Amino acid sequence: GEDVEQSLFLSVREGDSSVINCTYTDSSSTYLYWYKQEPGAGLQLLTYIFSNMDMKQDQRLTVLLNKKDKHLSLRIADTQTGDSAIYFCAERKGSGNTGKLIFGQGTTLQVKP
Amino acid sequence: SAVISQKPSRDICQRGTSLTIQCQVDSQVTMMFWYRQQPGQSLTLIATANQGSEATYESGFVIDKFPISRPNLTFSTLTVSNMSPEDSSIYLCSVARSPQETQYFGPGTRLLVL
Repeated sequence: GEDVEQSLFLSVREGDSSVINCTYTDSSSTYLYWYKQEPGAGLQLLTYIFSNMDMKQDQRLTVLLNKKDKHLSLRIADTQTGDSAIYFCAERKGSGNTGKLIFGQGTTLQVKP
Repeated sequence: SAVISQKPSRDICQRGTSLTIQCQVDSQVTMMFWYRQQPGQSLTLIATANQGSEATYESGFVIDKFPISRPNLTFSTLTVSNMSPEDSSIYLCSVARSPQETQYFGPGTRLLVL
């Protein structure tokens, strides 16, 4: 199927690290993305990783990709209350040239002060 | 990245009516997409808006219900026709310079149908 799976909820304390996990389905997916949606807002691109990489770091964000297990994770270091949002992972389907993205259900991150 | 605006930002509509949502981007892009996000749900692709030709619809979405226009490389509209309460959702447009490039999203249009 086309399901991208994420856990629905994560709660952490301010200053801790957050790890949001995602599994995807298409082994030929070329790019995998993390988007952030704050309440009442659209989607903000956080970061992405190309399928031939296994790690990408961007300031407080670290993306790990296990292509064998089709598992993607987003680690947020030193989590702040402003990081409270819904985080979506998405895969770009490998077949065809449509640019189509398949999204997970979203993980709600709650950061407690 | 690109600066994307959508109008209206939100609306409350009566069932049976239609609403047209506009998406404007600040630079020319090849790809424009329309997504629906039902309450508490993820995003589902409705269609790809093609400049100069008919939109490409995903399974479960039809042109009569969601007509789309794409008159140029910076603008697209999505109409939600003959609305029912089940159409209450956030509608988001996204753009990409090519199918291989990253998609950037607009702020969304929040629609409530009574």
